[in-house]
Amino acid sequence: GAVVSQHPSWVICKSGTSVKIECRSLDFQATTMFWYRQFPKQSLMLMATSNEGSKATYEQGVEKDKFLINHASLTLSTLTVTSAHPEDSSFYICSAESGTSASYEQYFGPGTRLTVT
Amino acid sequence: GQQLNQSPQSMFIQEGEDVSMNCTSSSIFNTWLWYKQEPGEGPVLLIALYKAGELTSNGRLTAQFGITRKDSFLNISASIPSDVGIYFCAGLGGSARQLTFGSGTQLTVLP
Repeated sequence: GAVVSQHPSWVICKSGTSVKIECRSLDFQATTMFWYRQFPKQSLMLMATSNEGSKATYEQGVEKDKFLINHASLTLSTLTVTSAHPEDSSFYICSAESGTSASYEQYFGPGTRLTVT
Repeated sequence: GQQLNQSPQSMFIQEGEDVSMNCTSSSIFNTWLWYKQEPGEGPVLLIALYKAGELTSNGRLTAQFGITRKDSFLNISASIPSDVGIYFCAGLGGSARQLTFGSGTQLTVLP
């Protein structure tokens, strides 16, 4: 199956600083990637859709100026959490689209645990 | 966003038993995907279903795409300890390429 990596796997930062998380599709090209947030014992919550070469599409309630997304190439999307606060602490997971209209699949990265102190 | 109704929320079973979980929706989906997530990891795709009525197996796992396109089930036969984790269903519908996720089923396998 297709492989998606994320870096870093975990990060601890101080309140007010910014953190960048990378999502890479390793063996396929992904025009579209997705960023999710997951709280303990809960399902995945879609934050935004990242489109290569264009602006990301954010879900309702997600601050685009706080969660900056850049999809600069067909294999890399980045999520930058700006001016992080303790309430931003969460598990952030990216995914990448693969397949055709007849066989759509979405593969997930291993996630990034962010802790803001 | 919208969530699918996934049940049961959690299951405790003995090793060797079969397991069944399902997802239902008020909306029609064109694709159903089943994922497994272990602690501290991202979801891993188990089975993908593309046609109403489709029945697909992956080892001890079997999943079906409901004929109404509003439901899907996942069966795990002869469970083993490494089956422990959270299982999510996810649906893809219409022209949107965003997945709608179920709330998850936490599976615990007792030795």
